Amino acid sequence: IAGITQAPTSQILAAGRRMTLRCTQDMRHNAMYWYRQDLGLGLRLIHYSNTAGTTGKGEVPDGYSVSRANTDDFPLTLASAVPSQTSVYFCASSDDASGGANEQFFGPGTRLTVL
Amino acid sequence: GQNIDQPTEMTATEGAIVQINCTYQTSGFNGLFWYQQHAGEAPTFLSYNVLDGLEEKGRFSSFLSRSKGYSYLLLKELQMKDSASYLCAVRDGDYKLSFGAGTTVTVRA
Repeated sequence: IAGITQAPTSQILAAGRRMTLRCTQDMRHNAMYWYRQDLGLGLRLIHYSNTAGTTGKGEVPDGYSVSRANTDDFPLTLASAVPSQTSVYFCASSDDASGGANEQFFGPGTRLTVL
Repeated sequence: GQNIDQPTEMTATEGAIVQINCTYQTSGFNGLFWYQQHAGEAPTFLSYNVLDGLEEKGRFSSFLSRSKGYSYLLLKELQMKDSASYLCAVRDGDYKLSFGAGTTVTVRA
């Protein structure tokens, strides 16, 4: 692996089903993030983790949960999917969550459709 | 909340220059980023400004005025491959990124 990967690439899901989007990075970055991208709204932060073992809520956390058991993995779970969660989901990571350039590196995204 | 504004679309001719403006109002400020995103792909980092002034990186330059809450991304010698969305993002006082909706740039031959 080189960089940050996400799985699945795309998924069609029935409303009410549980779904976990996977994200793995091999850069040993401390901070990881989940965003959703919707047309006309840009990227919005769902949840974040500044370091393994800690998580925090972003701008649009309702209906989503995350865990950060180790440095590399940051799964996003939809407990009971609803159509409004249809979106493209991007996972990102950065060396740390503080100042400096510390740009975020993005995974290829997961396109999720909830019917 | 955060408020980041940038134009929705811009069109320019190959070889020309395009300037994408971004204005922002955020709770605290810890830097401004520009990302490029080709259709169907992930955003990729272009530039970072934290102090006022111009940062130049090859054909791309980014400018910041913190007192005006204003930045621009300048793309020179436009190439067809520059057709993409350009995202302005501000890192706030909690070190979280807030993104604008993005500017879609179309380069015509």
